[in-house]
Amino acid sequence: KAGVTQTPRYLIKTRGQQVTLSCSPISGHRSVSWYQQTPGQGLQFLFEYFSETQRNKGNFPGRFSGRQFSNSRSEMNVSTLELGDSALYLCASSWTGTANTEAFFGQGTRLTVV
Amino acid sequence: GNSVTQMEGPVTLSEEAFLTINCTYTATGYPSLFWYVQYPGEGLQLLLKATKADDKGSNKGFEATYRKETTSFHLEKGSVQVSDSAVYFCALVTSGGANNLFFGTGTRLTVIP
Repeated sequence: KAGVTQTPRYLIKTRGQQVTLSCSPISGHRSVSWYQQTPGQGLQFLFEYFSETQRNKGNFPGRFSGRQFSNSRSEMNVSTLELGDSALYLCASSWTGTANTEAFFGQGTRLTVV
Repeated sequence: GNSVTQMEGPVTLSEEAFLTINCTYTATGYPSLFWYVQYPGEGLQLLLKATKADDKGSNKGFEATYRKETTSFHLEKGSVQVSDSAVYFCALVTSGGANNLFFGTGTRLTVIP
């Protein structure tokens, strides 16, 4: 059974550009969440999608957005990139997204903004 | 609000030493508690979990007990190995969903032979 797949693994962008990251969840999983990991702020929740609907959202500016497709694959978009957006972006999937189900994480996309 | 306070690192131990990584939490309602591990260049892997008070999660020799009275979930292992070297994260989730996790800052463990 394939795990959570994130693409690309590494990305370098220029300040002001926009970027789209992709996450393919484990087959059958309907919940996909995104996290930002930085040395200074640690791991922070961005948002969660379940059956193509955003169900939860963290405390990030509107430049960060996402969507989920009917096959549960998810994309995250960051517009007008800032240097502080440099981070490891992790995607996690789970079967139902309830508190007792395990979340499986991908290896992440490392974004560097220059 | 929800938050997790985790023991500052880094922690360096000799092989076969006893490990404790402290974790305390603040949460609304009754959270589920988790320990995740991150190996170099990897994403997070669930190490163990506990979903209600007095539950003990265990896996690969690691244990943690959900203590509601002290709002703690300390990670322990009796005898660490070099392969346990990684970053350990304590986390909680409330009823909002399994993937709305609140993480501690992480503790880097290095085990030397």
